[in-house]
Amino acid sequence: GAVVSQHPSRVICKSGTSVKIECRSLDFQATTMFWYRQFPKKSLMLMATSNEGSKATYEQGVEKDKFLINHASLTLSTLTVTSAHPEDSSFYICSASEAGAYEQYFGPGTRLTVT
Amino acid sequence: SQKIEQNSEALNIQEGKTATLTCNYTNYSPAYLQWYRQDPGRGPVFLLLIRENEKEKRKERLKVTFDTTLKQSLFHITASQPADSATYLCALLMDTGRRALTFGSGTRLQVQP
Repeated sequence: GAVVSQHPSRVICKSGTSVKIECRSLDFQATTMFWYRQFPKKSLMLMATSNEGSKATYEQGVEKDKFLINHASLTLSTLTVTSAHPEDSSFYICSASEAGAYEQYFGPGTRLTVT
Repeated sequence: SQKIEQNSEALNIQEGKTATLTCNYTNYSPAYLQWYRQDPGRGPVFLLLIRENEKEKRKERLKVTFDTTLKQSLFHITASQPADSATYLCALLMDTGRRALTFGSGTRLQVQP
């Protein structure tokens, strides 16, 4: 149980284009989903928290107009990186949490490379 | 802001021995402290959660302790196996309302056969 999928697993895009990453909870309802970014050999950095049906809460320093987050249903959240630049290249990971629970279940991650 | 330190970047032990990983934090104690395992190129996997008022939690070969006086958690893997080789992350949940986690930088464990 508690499986989270992420799609795509890898994406290469050109500078200036937008990329959408999907995060799905497959066997549970995720009232809250989280988006993280991870640089090589570094820990996870929380970007934003989203609750189903509400606007996402962004961490300090994360541009909400650049990283658009939608959590339209209890099983799906999307992160869109708009007008991507090479410095946006990173490993993006989502996680999901059930109502009343504090552990998070993570997706396998998406490797984004912006050329 | 909360700072989390995991004792060493890497830890090498022999198969069969007990691995002990340390997580120290600086500010006020979290409501919950969690441990995750991460393999290269993959998302973290939840292992154990321990509450502020709990001293110890066990799950199979895993044991977590939580000392709010020392501001420290210890994570033990007994009878370690090469398959336990991975990076282990400590994570603090400070705000039960937001439920957001703050992660340590991790300790890379290598179990030698």
